[in-house]
Amino acid sequence: DAKTTQPTSMDCAEGRAANLPCNHSTISGNEYVYWYRQIHSQGPQYIIHGLKNNETNEMASLIITEDRKSSTLILPHATLRDTAVYYCIVTTYGGSQGNLIFGKGTKLSVKP
Amino acid sequence: GAVVSQHPSWVICKSGTSVKIECRSLDFQATTMFWYRQFPKQSLMLMATSNEGSKATYEQGVEKDKFLINHASLTLSTLTVTSAHPEDSSFYICSTPGDGTYEQYFGPGTRLTVT
Repeated sequence: DAKTTQPTSMDCAEGRAANLPCNHSTISGNEYVYWYRQIHSQGPQYIIHGLKNNETNEMASLIITEDRKSSTLILPHATLRDTAVYYCIVTTYGGSQGNLIFGKGTKLSVKP
Repeated sequence: GAVVSQHPSWVICKSGTSVKIECRSLDFQATTMFWYRQFPKQSLMLMATSNEGSKATYEQGVEKDKFLINHASLTLSTLTVTSAHPEDSSFYICSTPGDGTYEQYFGPGTRLTVT
């Protein structure tokens, strides 16, 4: 699976959009981009995933560049409960088969 | 979505004793379970993969005789830490691909402290 690079930490004001970048320059054509988050002392939680097109669900939006070498997770209106470590994961399995390989992620702190 | 539970949520044990952690899938059949370990301020590291009815596959550096995994049914996988030592203190998390959908379902984790 391709390696990802994320900033170590980010701050965001409550109510504002949080934009979390991820670089995956070695991604191959059959690899998906997945985002999970882990709130302190809990198991990871799925957020969203995509292959080529931008995606949106009730939690977030995922913007993937045309060359697929980077992506951005957008939390449109961050709340204090969104404070967590966010993991960008690239995988061929589509999350439904193999294990996930977690990097260090981005620690997002949402501040009042 | 699918629900995965773990029991206990936290446990303190003395060095040299064994501890069993249960991971249950509550509303679907989990053919495969992954077990991860997470040390403080670090990311999740895969320890082993268990498939129902067969022997677990361990990652390099994980002692199979120390971390015993049993996946005897489609709803239950257990991890037993044998002869626990303080360096085994960690956050243990299980996950499963569930019923073939696109996401993995994680348990809430078990905090193990060995004194």
